[in-house]
Amino acid sequence: GDSVTQMEGPVTLSEEAFLTINCTYTATGYPSLFWYVQYPGEGLQLLLKATKADDKGSNKGFEATYRKETTSFHLEKGSVQVSDSAVYFCALSPLVGGGNKLTFGTGTQLKVEL
Amino acid sequence: DAGITQSPRHKVTETGTPVTLRCHQTENHRYMYWYRQDPGHGLRLIHYSYGVKDTDKGEVSDGYSVSRSKTEDFLLTLESATSSQTSVYFCAIRAARQETQYFGPGTRLLVL
Repeated sequence: GDSVTQMEGPVTLSEEAFLTINCTYTATGYPSLFWYVQYPGEGLQLLLKATKADDKGSNKGFEATYRKETTSFHLEKGSVQVSDSAVYFCALSPLVGGGNKLTFGTGTQLKVEL
Repeated sequence: DAGITQSPRHKVTETGTPVTLRCHQTENHRYMYWYRQDPGHGLRLIHYSYGVKDTDKGEVSDGYSVSRSKTEDFLLTLESATSSQTSVYFCAIRAARQETQYFGPGTRLLVL
């Protein structure tokens, strides 16, 4: 079945540091890929997405590129802020069928310090 | 923000009692989902609905049932709550022919 593997956290960075959160997936065909963010005490918000190979999703300074050859969708940001502290989830949705159910990774907690 | 509300937002109950959680949307989206969030597991799908009275199981459906009698409401019922069902429950909605799911604020359930 489909699966998503994320790097374990917590990841602790200083403000303005470069961020990478690794995500790799196993799926049949060409799934859509997502990054969701969860701030403390809140629900999940879509951060960015990519629907086909080599697509780059971007939002709020975050980027991720759909790499089919390495089955990866790593999240990057050039300069993190304290306000980026949250839990980040990588997820995939199959291309067709199954109600487009999302399969999530276990989440990576990011802590940004001054 | 997508118009999704969940009720109650917090609930404490005892083992063996029935519990119903409600998800309400104002977007008229066709698809609705229930997930549970647990440490070390991310979010896992419990049940989903692809239309009024049309539902299907997810990967962790044992001990849960759902109903959808109208487009805007999707109910999740724990027939006889167990401590293993202590979790945070999220509802999500999705429009037809769109990939993105939008999530509600969550319900924190504690089963004693």
